[in-house]
This record gives sequence, structure tokens and C-alpha cells, in this order.
Amino acid sequence: DGGITQSPKYLFRKEGQNVTLSCEQNLNHDAMYWYRQDPGQGLRLIYYSQIVNDFQKGDIAEGYSVSREKKESFPLTVTSAQKNPTAFYLCASSIPGAHSGANVLTFGAGSRLTVL
Amino acid sequence: RKEVEQDPGPFNVPEGATVAFNCTYSNSASQSFFWYRQDCRKEPKLLMSVYSSGNEDGRFTAQLNRASQYISLLIRDSKLSDSATYLCVVLGAAGNKLTFGGGTRVLVKP
Repeated sequence: DGGITQSPKYLFRKEGQNVTLSCEQNLNHDAMYWYRQDPGQGLRLIYYSQIVNDFQKGDIAEGYSVSREKKESFPLTVTSAQKNPTAFYLCASSIPGAHSGANVLTFGAGSRLTVL
Repeated sequence: RKEVEQDPGPFNVPEGATVAFNCTYSNSASQSFFWYRQDCRKEPKLLMSVYSSGNEDGRFTAQLNRASQYISLLIRDSKLSDSATYLCVVLGAAGNKLTFGGGTRVLVKP
């Protein structure tokens, strides 16, 4: 079955360490996204990518970095510059465009990062 | 003003009752609109897209009011399993960025 796989599901990190969250999709979707969700709050966009080798900053990109070397993969690195990294991180993908069914997000199960 | 705003709730709803809530958006050129459902500590899942003419899917009805820049979701005959957070999602004018509202929490009680 097609879908999005995020790993790890749970991650603990010491302050000052960089961590990379994996996101892989086999849906053949062109667009991929990273969101952050804090307790009791909505999703905030970190980065998004419409095509391979191209990505744009979202609303809260500071302290994060991404790459899009393959269509299937969109890893997110949480750097030590991110002041408050403890959160639930969600990766999503979609087919962009103006046709019916476009821009519907499929999410991975999420990665829960805790900084100790 | 936030790009997409929702009443956080919670809306406490007796089982079998009807509940409705809105989501307002700031950019009049926004292209597409969606409702997602998120259960506690899970990923969001698409509930329904919102079409200009309004659309219905079983007990759920979505409406779009472009003049007043809001979308609505109505749930009829509420079930205990409808308890969740409902997220409003708006596709921006450029067609490349999806923005989420903060979510509306619904609690259906026996």
C-alpha cells in the first residue's frame, strides 16, 4: 500500500545536538511538506518542496534545514539553533495543481521529538 | 490577523445532536479549502474538500462563503466517534502553500 513513512516515531535529544527526521513516500507525489505541532495548537509549516532539488521556507523555518534530492524523500534536520525543538513533527505530501483531488495532504504518522 | 482562524472550542455535544462551526480566512484570493480530522496524538486525515456550491458526505456538510471569507462544517446526528479536533486548511492564492487553522475540538458525550 502507498503511504508516507516517518522515522523515528519517538526521539530524545540532548540540547546542542542536531537530529534528522526521515520522511519517505511511495505515492509518487511531487509536493512534500514538514509541519510542526505543539500541544493544543494547530500545524505550522516549516518547509515545503514542490519538486526535486527545490524547496521553500515556511512560516517557522529558523533552526531547521531540509533537502530534496529524490522525489520520494524529504528529510528534516532540527539543528541546535532551534530554540524550542520539542514538538510533534508531521511530514505530508500531495499532488499540486488545480484539478479535482489536487492539494489533498497525506500525512505520515509523525515523529515526536523531546529535548532533554 | 491570522491567515486562518478557528474557534478552539471545545464544543460539548450531546450524542445525536447537531453541531456546526466556522473557519475564517484572511486572503480573499485563496483557492481551495479542506476539513481534516485529527484524533489525539495522531496525524490529521482528510475529512472532506469544500466546494463552492457546498457539499455533503453522509452526516457532514461543508459550506463555503467567499463573500464573508469563511467555511463551515456541520455534523448531524453526532456519534461518540466524532469526538476529535477538526482542522481547517486553506490553499493560498499562489496555489503552493497550505495553511492550517488552530483546530476546533469537538467532544460528543452520551
